[in-house]
Amino acid sequence: GAVVSQHPSWVICKSGTSVKIECRSLDFQATTMFWYRQFPKQSLMLMATSNEGSKATYEQGVEKDKFLINHASLTLSTLTVTSAHPEDSSFYICSARDLWGLAGSWQFFGPGTRLTVL
Amino acid sequence: QKEVEQDPGPLSVPEGAIVSLNCTYSNSAFQYFMWYRQYSRKGPELLMYTYSSGNKEDGRFTAQVDKSSKYISLFIRDSQPSDSATYLCAMTSYGNKLVFGAGTILRVKS
Repeated sequence: GAVVSQHPSWVICKSGTSVKIECRSLDFQATTMFWYRQFPKQSLMLMATSNEGSKATYEQGVEKDKFLINHASLTLSTLTVTSAHPEDSSFYICSARDLWGLAGSWQFFGPGTRLTVL
Repeated sequence: QKEVEQDPGPLSVPEGAIVSLNCTYSNSAFQYFMWYRQYSRKGPELLMYTYSSGNKEDGRFTAQVDKSSKYISLFIRDSQPSDSATYLCAMTSYGNKLVFGAGTILRVKS
């Protein structure tokens, strides 16, 4: 199956700093990438949808100035958590939709990035 | 009411048992139905993918979709301790975002 990677897998930062998380589709082209957030023992919460070369679409309640998303190529999207605070500590997961997938509805997930803000 | 309902469990079964996991949904526009497996602190892994109603089998896994009842199931035969994980159902209509269930925690005891 298609492979999606994330980097870093785990990051600890101080409150007030910014953190960038990368999401790459390794063996396919992804016109659309998604960013999710997951709290312990809860399901995935969609934060935003990013399409290559255009601005991301954020879900209601997600601050676009705090969670900056860039989708510069068909294989790379980045999520930057700006001025991170302890409440931003969470598990962030990206997914990529295969350009050639069945009806455009396949999504493959990355392994996730655990962010801890001290 | 949530668009997708899934019992969070945990569901505990002995090794070798047949496991049945289910989701119900309310949006009749959903056409694509997926099951993901998620191990602790890992990203979800796509297990099964079904379009519209019907059954699909892959090894020990069988996915069923009944659109008339808005009900989907995942069956795991001969369950193994390595099957212990959280199972997420997800569904969508063409080109739209996935809607996830809450996830069911499965524990297979050896």
